[in-house]
Amino acid sequence: KAGVTQTPRYLIKTRGQQVTLSCSPISGHRSVSWYQQTPGQGLQFLFEYFSETQRNKGNFPGRFSGRQFSNSRSEMNVSTLELGDSALYLCASSLGLTLTGRNTEAFFGQGTRLTVV
Amino acid sequence: ILNVEQSPQSLHVQEGDSTNFTCSFPSSNFYALHWYRWETAKSPEALFVMTLNGDEKKKGRISATLNTKEGYSYLYIKGSQPEDSATYLCAFNNNAGNMLTFGGGTRLMVKP
Repeated sequence: KAGVTQTPRYLIKTRGQQVTLSCSPISGHRSVSWYQQTPGQGLQFLFEYFSETQRNKGNFPGRFSGRQFSNSRSEMNVSTLELGDSALYLCASSLGLTLTGRNTEAFFGQGTRLTVV
Repeated sequence: ILNVEQSPQSLHVQEGDSTNFTCSFPSSNFYALHWYRWETAKSPEALFVMTLNGDEKKKGRISATLNTKEGYSYLYIKGSQPEDSATYLCAFNNNAGNMLTFGGGTRLMVKP
């Protein structure tokens, strides 16, 4: 079973540019979440998509946006890049809920390392 | 803002030692508590998802307990091995979605 795939793995962008990151979840998983990891802040939740709808949103500015397609693949976009956006961006997929309504574990991709110069 | 705290921040142990870490989280609106292991240059890997007060889960030499009333979980590693060296993260979930609030992690280093 293929794991969570994130592309690209590494990216260098200039301040002011915009960037799109991609995440392909495990087959059958309908929930995709995005996280930002910086040395000082640890893993911070960006947003979650479930069946093409944003279900949860973290405390990030509107420059950060995302979407999910009908095949559950998700993209994350950051516009007007700032130096502080340099981080590892992780995507996680999960089934969503079990039949008993409980959370299932999240499976993480290897991340996209974004450097803004 | 949800506060999830982990202690200690880092830990050095000798091979064969047993060790444990703590994760504290809000005791209200509890839905699930996750534990992940994150090795350098790899993806975080799920260890446990715990949902019921008093839950105890075990996977090989690693086990975890959960107290939702007082808002803490312990992760235990019995007979640590060098391959256990990693950062151990706990994550709190307070709703039916998959929004996880992570603690800062405990970085474990096991010396041979």
